[in-house]
Amino acid sequence: GAVVSQHPSRVICKSGTSVKIECRSLDFQATTMFWYRQFPKKSLMLMATSNEGSKATYEQGVEKDKFLINHASLTLSTLTVTSAHPEDSSFYICSARGLAAEQYFGPGTRLTVT
Amino acid sequence: DAKTTQPTSMDCAEGRAANLPCNHSTISGNEYVYWYRQIHSQGPQYIIHGLKNNETNEMASLIITEDRKSSTLILPHATLRDTAVYYCILNSGGSNYKLTFGKGTLLTVNP
Repeated sequence: GAVVSQHPSRVICKSGTSVKIECRSLDFQATTMFWYRQFPKKSLMLMATSNEGSKATYEQGVEKDKFLINHASLTLSTLTVTSAHPEDSSFYICSARGLAAEQYFGPGTRLTVT
Repeated sequence: DAKTTQPTSMDCAEGRAANLPCNHSTISGNEYVYWYRQIHSQGPQYIIHGLKNNETNEMASLIITEDRKSSTLILPHATLRDTAVYYCILNSGGSNYKLTFGKGTLLTVNP
């Protein structure tokens, strides 16, 4: 299957700082990228959907000013967690979809806010 | 809310077939059945999807009942590395194909 990478795989930051997570589709052009969050022992929850060159669409309850998404190219989307707090600690996962219907997921980024 | 119902957990012996059921009695005519799995602390992995015909690929087979109200994912020869949470998800392609994950089935393959 197609390959999606995320960077970093793990990050620890102090409360109040911002963290940027990158999601790249390595061998296909992703017309749509998705960002999910997963808390321990819970299922994935969709945060937002982004299409290249346009503003992201956020799910209900997700603050767009706190979770900034930029989908500047067909192979890269970034999620910036601004002014992170301990409750933002979670496993953040991106996925990408090209022309086919299948979504391919990245390996995830473990964020810990101290 | 997820529109599918799956058992919380299942066990399977290594080398045997693992049959994972999924109920989706309210499925719409244009909704596909997708299966993904998530190994602990990793991103989900696409397995297979289908509309109404049975499908097979190198990973698994998908059997969809004639009325499309349920389906079964079959891993023909389960290995220890198949231990994961398996998600059955419906998607019609609307809203950019966004997926709604339920709780899935934790499949444990035992030696």
